[in-house]
Amino acid sequence: AQKITQTQPGMFVQEKEAVTLDCTYDTSDQSYGLFWYKQPSSGEMIFLIYQGSYDEQNATEGRYSLNFQKARKSANLVISASQLGDSAMYFCAMRPYNFNKFYFGSGTKLNVKP
Amino acid sequence: EAQVTQNPRYLITVTGKKLTVTCSQNMNHEYMSWYRQDPGLGLRQIYYSMNVEVTDKGDVPEGYKVSRKEKRNFPLILESPSPNQTSLYFCASSTAGSLDYGYTFGSGTRLTVV
Repeated sequence: AQKITQTQPGMFVQEKEAVTLDCTYDTSDQSYGLFWYKQPSSGEMIFLIYQGSYDEQNATEGRYSLNFQKARKSANLVISASQLGDSAMYFCAMRPYNFNKFYFGSGTKLNVKP
Repeated sequence: EAQVTQNPRYLITVTGKKLTVTCSQNMNHEYMSWYRQDPGLGLRQIYYSMNVEVTDKGDVPEGYKVSRKEKRNFPLILESPSPNQTSLYFCASSTAGSLDYGYTFGSGTRLTVV
């Protein structure tokens, strides 16, 4: 069965510091995609970053990077130099090869302190 | 602009009064899906559609109906809403042709059933 686990319901980080949001997944598929989405208080879902299961290098998008450890089945999101606008809920998601479903974790609420 | 348009944004209704939440995408995506988001549970899939006239149940389909008569539209129907369907609903679409393509989400519909 496919499952995404985010073990940190809430986190605090000081402005300008880096923070890591944890995500582990469980799948028997060999091909899959991993995604992170940001949900600010306004409610919309914003795509942040993607990592393919066969990608050898960790994905990066600006201040976001994905620390992908395939053997451990983890796909942690690293936000560098946190900003107040990073305060939001963050969801990890996985899309298996058969395309018919995305699996989401329960989310991590990040609060950035000034 | 490529987008998923979801209406209404907010809806308060009474138990048993049929309602429809509309979803339309302009990206010619094959795959569309409905999710509900509840605190601590993340996003749970209600129904999805791989293409026109092809729909299937997700994890929590009870009390919901969908249809896919046109590629761009995927309405969510609550025939007899109940208070336990109070939630934040998202429509999302994606192309089925590439593993690395994530979801484009609608803005969400916050539904309250009293």
